[in-house]
Amino acid sequence: EVQLVESGGGLVQPGGSLRLSCAASGFTFSSYSMNWVRQAPGKGLEWVSYISSSSSTIYYADSVKGRFTISRDNAKNSLYLQMNSLRDEDTAVYYCARDYYDSSSLPTPFQHWGQGTLVIVSS
Amino acid sequence: DIQMTQSPSSLSASVGDRVTITCQASQDISNYLNWYQQKPGKAPKLLIYDASNLETGVPSRFSGSGSGTDFTFTISSLQPEDIATYYCQQYDNLPPGFGGGTKVEIK
Repeated sequence: EVQLVESGGGLVQPGGSLRLSCAASGFTFSSYSMNWVRQAPGKGLEWVSYISSSSSTIYYADSVKGRFTISRDNAKNSLYLQMNSLRDEDTAVYYCARDYYDSSSLPTPFQHWGQGTLVIVSS
Repeated sequence: DIQMTQSPSSLSASVGDRVTITCQASQDISNYLNWYQQKPGKAPKLLIYDASNLETGVPSRFSGSGSGTDFTFTISSLQPEDIATYYCQQYDNLPPGFGGGTKVEIK
């Protein structure tokens, strides 16, 4: 069974930093691209970032470019999101999501999702 | 960015009703269109991918159709467990954007 478990969320002041993690199991992590998707309270879904299986291709939403960094450790079956210079509008539940197709170089349908981790940016 | 316009934003229907949600893309996205279901407090769940393909394990009362710019998602017979918000999503171009969502309630 595919499992994705996020951690690392919490309360942080504006301008602060936070590192999210996503632990994957139940599939060959090194074969699949991964994504971060967020959802502000009471709002819709927003794609945040993508990383290919080998980390060779990375994309970001304009809203986080230059502030967030996605990475992965295939030996540890883990995905990360380093979030710097956090703003109030970054407050959201952050989900990691696995692509549908393996060996992709662009985001594909998000077939599996974690339960999410809540990030609150507030003074 | 490609804009995804979903309608209606909410609807109320009776158990057993046929429910239809539409999603319009601001440009041609071929069939690179997915539908997700999100229940309150839960993560989204993929129901339909590539416009019309039913994800494994998803009940056959859910279906999708369309190509180009206009897409339709249908629940053939609404069940109480279908209460949720439904989102369309395109992945033809970056960023892979979502529609605004349709909240489905029981009348």
